[in-house]
Amino acid sequence: GAVVSQHPSWVICKSGTSVKIECRSLDFQATTMFWYRQFPKQSLMLMATSNEGSKATYEQGVEKDKFLINHASLTLSTLTVTSAHPEDSSFYICSARVYATNTEAFFGQGTRLTVV
Amino acid sequence: DAKTTQPTSMDCAEGRAANLPCNHSTISGNEYVYWYRQIHSQGPQYIIHGLKNNETNEMASLIITEDRKSSTLILPHATLRDTAVYYCIVSAGNKLVFGAGTILRVKS
Repeated sequence: GAVVSQHPSWVICKSGTSVKIECRSLDFQATTMFWYRQFPKQSLMLMATSNEGSKATYEQGVEKDKFLINHASLTLSTLTVTSAHPEDSSFYICSARVYATNTEAFFGQGTRLTVV
Repeated sequence: DAKTTQPTSMDCAEGRAANLPCNHSTISGNEYVYWYRQIHSQGPQYIIHGLKNNETNEMASLIITEDRKSSTLILPHATLRDTAVYYCIVSAGNKLVFGAGTILRVKS
């Protein structure tokens, strides 16, 4: 299957700082990318959907000013967690799709964020 | 998108077929059934998807009932590496929303 790469795989940051996570589709162009977060022993929770060149669509309850998403090209989307706090510590996962619907989405390996 | 119901957990003997059921009784005509799995601390891995016909690939088979209200994912010869959380997702739109999934434990 297609490859989606996330960087970094893990990051530790101090409370109050911002952290940027990159998501790249390595061998295909992704018109749509998605960001999820996952807490221990829970399922993935969709945070937002981003289409190349347009603003992200956030799920209800997700603060768009705290989780900044940029999808500037067909192969790169970034998630910036601004003013991170310990409760933002989580596993963040991105996925990408070639077409918007009815095709499989491929997932990155995830980024473990720990805010201290 | 329609909601899915899966058993919380299942056990399977190594080398035997693993049959994972999924109920999606409110599925609508344009919604696809997707299966993903997640091994601990990794991103989900795509397995298979289908609309109404049965599907097979190198990983698994997907059997969808004629009324499309339920489906079964079949791993023909389960190995220890197939131990994971398996998610059944129904979607017609852009996004995939994950439920709780089934924890499959393959035992030797």
